[in-house]
Amino acid sequence: RKEVEQDPGPFNVPEGATVAFNCTYSNSASQSFFWYRQDCRKEPKLLMSVYSSGNEDGRFTAQLNRASQYISLLIRDSKLSDSATYLCASLGGSTLGRLYFGRGTQLTVWP
Amino acid sequence: NAGVTQTPKFQVLKTGQSMTLQCAQDMNHEYMSWYRQDPGMGLRLIHYSVGAGITDQGEVPNGYNVSRSTTEDFPLRLLSAAPSQTSVYFCASSYRPGTGLASQYFGPGTRLLVL
Repeated sequence: RKEVEQDPGPFNVPEGATVAFNCTYSNSASQSFFWYRQDCRKEPKLLMSVYSSGNEDGRFTAQLNRASQYISLLIRDSKLSDSATYLCASLGGSTLGRLYFGRGTQLTVWP
Repeated sequence: NAGVTQTPKFQVLKTGQSMTLQCAQDMNHEYMSWYRQDPGMGLRLIHYSVGAGITDQGEVPNGYNVSRSTTEDFPLRLLSAAPSQTSVYFCASSYRPGTGLASQYFGPGTRLLVL
């Protein structure tokens, strides 16, 4: 079983829509969680860290549910510029410093 | 700061050739890693290092070597290139996990084609 599982999508939504991605992780000892954004043919870039209490950055909200071992990313009022692949990652508990990535969820926002 | 830099951006190799992918960071990060990304496979960890002189294998280490003689540099060596190594390679770095600053920063990638 992969450390991090993610629905690959694709998600196709109109501008202004709200879209949510979920990601499950298998290692209950995982310490930290992140969402990355990757544009086509570019490197992944950190979108936001995920805190236990949940956190918000503008139109983006990340949440962590340790009991069910999943993290989520909510994007409100989608923009065309949000079209990208979104990768979730967990910082492994068993191997110090190792970041485990999901395979990514592709989002396309259409006008 | 330049962040994480990778060279070359593109490379074409013939089967059996060897080469080194360069990675450097100027953020004084202790932790560095190499990933390959293939369609439908996501990011797969090749090798990583938690500090100068310390390296370890990731998920797909076969056919690759690394060394970490300085904090700044973490080169990846392909010993004898094979078509299966055609991929996009990303180098990443971060502060030590547990410091609260463990999010990784990625270089721009190297696109490698092995014929």
